[in-house]
Amino acid sequence: EPEVTQTPSHQVTQMGQEVILRCVPISNHLYFYWYRQILGQKVEFLVSFYNNEISEKSEIFDDQFSVERPDGSNFTLKIRSTKLEDSAMYFCASSLGTALYGYTFGSGTRLTVV
Amino acid sequence: KNEVEQSPQNLTAQEGEFITINCSYSVGISALHWLQQHPGGGIVSLFMLSSGKKKHGRLIATINIQEKHSSLHITASHPRDSAVYICAVIDGNQFYFGTGTSLTVIP
Repeated sequence: EPEVTQTPSHQVTQMGQEVILRCVPISNHLYFYWYRQILGQKVEFLVSFYNNEISEKSEIFDDQFSVERPDGSNFTLKIRSTKLEDSAMYFCASSLGTALYGYTFGSGTRLTVV
Repeated sequence: KNEVEQSPQNLTAQEGEFITINCSYSVGISALHWLQQHPGGGIVSLFMLSSGKKKHGRLIATINIQEKHSSLHITASHPRDSAVYICAVIDGNQFYFGTGTSLTVIP
């Protein structure tokens, strides 16, 4: 069964450093998403991406964050200057279409900012 | 303000019991997803509903659009069903997640 692959599974970074979280969505999927889950809290939507541009973003997704699909297979989330409160599990997901299609989630990247 | 409310927050059941997890929402809806989050953190999409009822194995999901309510049922529960079950409502391009129901099934 096709999978969404996320790397790394766990990343530790110093406060103020830039991090890039990587995702390889399912190859024929057209919509891509990033979510985050702070430990003990609910999953939060960050951003959706379609046709090489952001289609929707939440209040959390401020200028610190950016997304890119650099080569047609990877979908990356960059955090420019990490803060302690960015520590969370970050999930990538992809779907073939919009809301009426199912989503496939990656297994997540646990980001720890120290 | 929680746009998506789940109940119960925590649930412990004996193996074999029939389980119901409820989700109520206050936003508009394009679709509703039931997700399963394993103890390791990974998320699996169980169902996507926009109306009616879906069944997959021992899992059944129903939605009542008029009442803005969905239920996830697990028949003949098993310890491997122990996980957090999350209801997520999609309203257009907005995504709203419930806080999850933590299910523990005891052998």
